[in-house]
Amino acid sequence: GAVVSQHPSRVICKSGTSVKIECRSLDFQATTMFWYRQFPKKSLMLMATSNEGSKATYEQGVEKDKFLINHASLTLSTLTVTSAHPEDSSFYICSAPGTGPSTDTQYFGPGTRLTVL
Amino acid sequence: GNSVTQMEGPVTLSEEAFLTINCTYTATGYPSLFWYVQYPGEGLQLLLKATKADDKGSNKGFEATYRKETTSFHLEKGSVQVSDSAVYFCTRTGANSKLTFGKGITLSVRP
Repeated sequence: GAVVSQHPSRVICKSGTSVKIECRSLDFQATTMFWYRQFPKKSLMLMATSNEGSKATYEQGVEKDKFLINHASLTLSTLTVTSAHPEDSSFYICSAPGTGPSTDTQYFGPGTRLTVL
Repeated sequence: GNSVTQMEGPVTLSEEAFLTINCTYTATGYPSLFWYVQYPGEGLQLLLKATKADDKGSNKGFEATYRKETTSFHLEKGSVQVSDSAVYFCTRTGANSKLTFGKGITLSVRP
């Protein structure tokens, strides 16, 4: 089955620094990937859609200059949290749609726990 | 707009109990409907799906039927196990493959 990986799984950084999170589709190509934040009460919020070869599209209320997204190849999207602050601490999850008959199914990465001190 | 409403949790059941988790969705467009599950310490994974009205998705003893007349996709299992303890999300597709998530519900199954 389709597998999506994320790296790192956990990161702790100081306030004001930038952190890069990678999302990879391991055995399939993904022209589109999605980035989410998962809040303590479990709900997921879609942050942005990452598009290979073009700019990401951000959901309303998400700062594009703060959450930089780069879809460098058909198997890699990165999310960079710039000048991180404690309120950016969260669980970040990426997903990619399947291919062929499974295009309506999303495959999720295991998530990255970001803690900003 | 698109939205998904799940019943409030958490839910605690004894092993072998019957499970129902309610989910309703807004009737915009012709969405596909999904239940995703997140086991402790793991990422979300697809549990089951249904792509059109009256379809029934099933997996691991769980079932859900796409009910267009009631805009519902309730999740059921006849006999839960401790290993079913997880967070369950009802979701629907929208434009451009985006998923709209319900708030999620935590299920705890006691031995």
